[in-house]
Amino acid sequence: AQSVTQLGSHVSVSEGALVLLRCNYSSSVPPYLFWYVQYPNQGLQLLLKYTSAATLVKGINGFEAEFKKSETSFHLTKPSAHMSDAAEYFCAVSDFGGAQKLVFGQGTRLTINP
Amino acid sequence: DTGVSQNPRHKITKRGQNVTFRCDPISEHNRLYWYRQTLGQGPEFLTYFQNEAQLEKSRLLSDRFSAERPKGSFSTLEIQRTEQGDSAMYLCASSLLSSAGRKAEAFFGQGTRLTVV
Repeated sequence: AQSVTQLGSHVSVSEGALVLLRCNYSSSVPPYLFWYVQYPNQGLQLLLKYTSAATLVKGINGFEAEFKKSETSFHLTKPSAHMSDAAEYFCAVSDFGGAQKLVFGQGTRLTINP
Repeated sequence: DTGVSQNPRHKITKRGQNVTFRCDPISEHNRLYWYRQTLGQGPEFLTYFQNEAQLEKSRLLSDRFSAERPKGSFSTLEIQRTEQGDSAMYLCASSLLSSAGRKAEAFFGQGTRLTVV
């Protein structure tokens, strides 16, 4: 079975500050990992994905994440927060071997302070 | 193609009524997924189709729920005898499994928000 734990249901940073959203996963098979962003009353938009190639993955809107197998982590970072980054962020894991279904964490709400 | 489309965007229904939601995936995508997202939670997998075949159903999908994808294109999710606990956002996603077995990421629709009163 696969699972995802997102540490911190709510993160608040100042505009221009570093954004760090934490995600730890559990998987009995090599995982495929994703970060999605969700704006209010909207669907999910893919930010980036790890599919066993490079461990440092760059995504859209200046976000990146690093896969660390030894720590079973896939934390999301952005060097400088922008007001438009305020949203809900979800980390997800998939085995990609069969159904390709996603198992999501509970989400982290990111607030940007001016 | 404008992406995954879901209708309606919002639905308010009385407890005990039946509701049906529609999802139109990206046209060339052969896989289609339904997820449910309750307030403050991440989405949870309900079921998925490959073409018209429903290949997996979560235990979350009680016998009041039924999903179809009759011609391998659009899909419908019906909830019979709705209960207040069914209030949630219902998300549809689609992806492409190529003939070579290559898998691509899922693209999500904007969801249908169901409120049962």
